Amino acid sequence: DGGITQSPKYLFRKEGQNVTLSCEQNLNHDAMYWYRQDPGQGLRLIYYSQIVNDFQKGDIAEGYSVSREKKESFPLTVTSAQKNPTAFYLCASTSIFTGGLTEAFFGQGTRLTVV
Amino acid sequence: DQQVKQNSPSLSVQEGRISILNCDYTNSMFDYFLWYKKYPAEGPTFLISISSIKDKNEDGRFTVFLNKSAKHLSLHIVPSQPGDSAVYFCAASGSGGGADGLTFGKGTHLIIQP
Repeated sequence: DGGITQSPKYLFRKEGQNVTLSCEQNLNHDAMYWYRQDPGQGLRLIYYSQIVNDFQKGDIAEGYSVSREKKESFPLTVTSAQKNPTAFYLCASTSIFTGGLTEAFFGQGTRLTVV
Repeated sequence: DQQVKQNSPSLSVQEGRISILNCDYTNSMFDYFLWYKKYPAEGPTFLISISSIKDKNEDGRFTVFLNKSAKHLSLHIVPSQPGDSAVYFCAASGSGGGADGLTFGKGTHLIIQP
């Protein structure tokens, strides 16, 4: 079955450490996205990539980094520079070269907790 | 400044009745709107969308209405069922077709009471 897989589902990190969240899709989608959700808040865009080896900052990119070496994969690194990393992280993908927007499909999310 | 607003954090509706969830936006460049449903600790799932060239889109029990002049859209669920209890997010995209990401509201927690 096609879909988006995020791993791990739960992640604990000590303060000062970098941590990488995995996102893989087999939908053959061109664009991939990382969002962050905090309690009582909507989803906020961290980074996005429309094509391999290219990515752009979203609204809250500070303290995060990404790479897009393969079409299927878009890992997110939460660095020690991110002041409030504890949150629910969601990866999404969409096909953008079909003459119009199709809805974004989301993974199941990764809950990151800094201890 | 929040560009997509869902002013009701929660809404309680009796099973079988109509649920109406509202969303307002401020950015006139938005031209595509989506509704997502989300359960706790899961990713959002797409429900229904509408383009700015339409004022209504229907899919089964779900209908979305768009009032461009008022910059307002609403999601109607008829009849409401217990499985509809979830958080509903309104989202919008601009003229780039959404390729540069979606702007989300804060969500409305819909509770369907038996």
